[in-house]
Amino acid sequence: GQQVMQIPQYQHVQEGEDFTTYCNSSTTLSNIQWYKQRPGGHPVFLIQLVKSGEVKKQKRLTFQFGEAKKNSSLHITATQTTDVGTYFCAGNSGGYQKVTFGTGTKLQVIP
Amino acid sequence: DSGVTQTPKHLITATGQRVTLRCSPRSGDLSVYWYQQSLDQGLQFLIQYYNGEERAKGNILERFSAQQFPDLHSELNLSSLELGDSALYFCASSVGAGGGPETQYFGPGTRLLVL
Repeated sequence: GQQVMQIPQYQHVQEGEDFTTYCNSSTTLSNIQWYKQRPGGHPVFLIQLVKSGEVKKQKRLTFQFGEAKKNSSLHITATQTTDVGTYFCAGNSGGYQKVTFGTGTKLQVIP
Repeated sequence: DSGVTQTPKHLITATGQRVTLRCSPRSGDLSVYWYQQSLDQGLQFLIQYYNGEERAKGNILERFSAQQFPDLHSELNLSSLELGDSALYFCASSVGAGGGPETQYFGPGTRLLVL
């Protein structure tokens, strides 16, 4: 079945440093979504990418969808303590396939 | 507030028991998804219902079952509970059947502790 892996599993950064998490799927995706889960909270939708090579920005966050639509990345510039949480990618292979969530990257920002 | 409600927020029970978790989707959403999240783990997809019908099945144990009612709320039944079933159970909803790009809106979760 479809597998979606994320690396790294954990990341500690100093406040102000950049952070990147990578998402890799075993199959070609029709679209990919990113979610953020704050400690003790529930996953919250951040963004959705559909086109091959698509790049979207949300303030300090930059999201990329790979040309082959099998990988994606989330880059945070100049991290802040409010960025703390676990970031999940979620891929959909189209048709009526279930969305598969990635393994998640837990980000800790040290003030 | 995502608009998805889940009850109860917390549940403590004993091994061998049976519990029911309830989820009400956002107004207008037809799909309901159930996920299990163990401590410091990712989201394990259990099952999806769309407009009352089972749409997709994930890693759901035979001891677990779910249904979606005509008013679109859903219930997840967990029976013969084991210690390892202790986890956070999330419900999410979306507008359509999930075959295309769709946002899932998550509820606050039910934290289950099996003693």
